[in-house]
Amino acid sequence: DGGITQSPKYLFRKEGQNVTLSCEQNLNHDAMYWYRQDPGQGLRLIYYSQIVNDFQKGDIAEGYSVSREKKESFPLTVTSAQKNPTAFYLCASTSEWGYTFGSGTRLTVV
Amino acid sequence: AQSVTQLGSHVSVSEGALVLLRCNYSSSVPPYLFWYVQYPNQGLQLLLKYTSAATLVKGINGFEAEFKKSETSFHLTKPSAHMSDAAEYFCAVSRNSGGYQKVTFGTGTKLQVIP
Repeated sequence: DGGITQSPKYLFRKEGQNVTLSCEQNLNHDAMYWYRQDPGQGLRLIYYSQIVNDFQKGDIAEGYSVSREKKESFPLTVTSAQKNPTAFYLCASTSEWGYTFGSGTRLTVV
Repeated sequence: AQSVTQLGSHVSVSEGALVLLRCNYSSSVPPYLFWYVQYPNQGLQLLLKYTSAATLVKGINGFEAEFKKSETSFHLTKPSAHMSDAAEYFCAVSRNSGGYQKVTFGTGTKLQVIP
């Protein structure tokens, strides 16, 4: 079955550490997105990529970085510069029918 | 510019009762409108989508939504709530921006279904 796989499901980060969240899709979609979800705030766009080797900042890109070396993969790195990284992170890709979301990664700073 | 307002962060209904989740949007161009559902610790799943073909849109799990341009609304309804409908629901508006679909999500409405 086609879909988006995010890993890990739960991730714990120590202060000052960089961590990378994985997102892989086998839907052959060109566009991929990373969203951050906090309670009561809906989804906020971090980064998006419309094509391989190209990506754009979203509304809250500070403290995050991405790469898009392959069509199937769009990893997100949460750097130590992100002061409040505890959140639920969702990866998505789009077709004409709308977004397909992964099942998310819950990141907690310990 | 575009925005979405979901009225009511929490809605409670009895099992078997009508479900009504409200969404109002603003958009400078004719929009695409969506409703998504999210179960705990999962991603969002598309319920239905409005793309100007018909004002009444039927989705999965018995949900439907009506696009009312005069009211700038896209409310989600279901005639009879089931326990399995308990989840968080997000309304979203989308428009083409520089070749990609810019999507703005509402802040979500948590639906509680009371037995």
